[in-house]
Amino acid sequence: EPEVTQTPSHQVTQMGQEVILRCVPISNHLYFYWYRQILGQKVEFLVSFYNNEISEKSEIFDDQFSVERPDGSNFTLKIRSTKLEDSAMYFCASSADRGKGYTFGSGTRLTVV
Amino acid sequence: DQQVKQNSPSLSVQEGRISILNCDYTNSMFDYFLWYKKYPAEGPTFLISISSIKDKNEDGRFTVFLNKSAKHLSLHIVPSQPGDSAVYFCAASEGNFNKFYFGSGTKLNVKP
Repeated sequence: EPEVTQTPSHQVTQMGQEVILRCVPISNHLYFYWYRQILGQKVEFLVSFYNNEISEKSEIFDDQFSVERPDGSNFTLKIRSTKLEDSAMYFCASSADRGKGYTFGSGTRLTVV
Repeated sequence: DQQVKQNSPSLSVQEGRISILNCDYTNSMFDYFLWYKKYPAEGPTFLISISSIKDKNEDGRFTVFLNKSAKHLSLHIVPSQPGDSAVYFCAASEGNFNKFYFGSGTKLNVKP
């Protein structure tokens, strides 16, 4: 069964450092998303991406965050200057069409120290 | 953000019995709903969906019911199996499907 692959599974970084979280969506999917889940809290939407541009973003997704699809297969989330409160599980998702086949990756646990 | 609520943080059910997981929402513009389950250290796994034009959708042991007037949906698992033990999230979208709002999850424990 096709999977969304995320690397690394766990990333530890110092506060103020830049991190890039990587995702390989399912190959024929066209819509890409990032969500995060802070420990003990809900899964929260960050951003959706289609046709090489952001479709929608939440208030969490401020200027410190950016997304990119640098080639035909990867979808990355960059946090420019990490803060302690950025520590969370970050989930990438992709879908073939809006709402259809919405598939999540297994997540990257980001720990900011 | 309390647009989607799962008021039961946990549920314990005997193997073979029915599990009923509940979800309430406040935004009447939501018209597409998903249920996911999540095992520790894994991403959410899609289970079943329902659009607001239906009030029931069934897939094997999983049935989702939608009561639009009450802004309530439920997931029924019959019969429950120990492998169903996981955290179950409901999620809702306003129809552009760009983003889903998640509930806080219900941890289901199916006892053998």
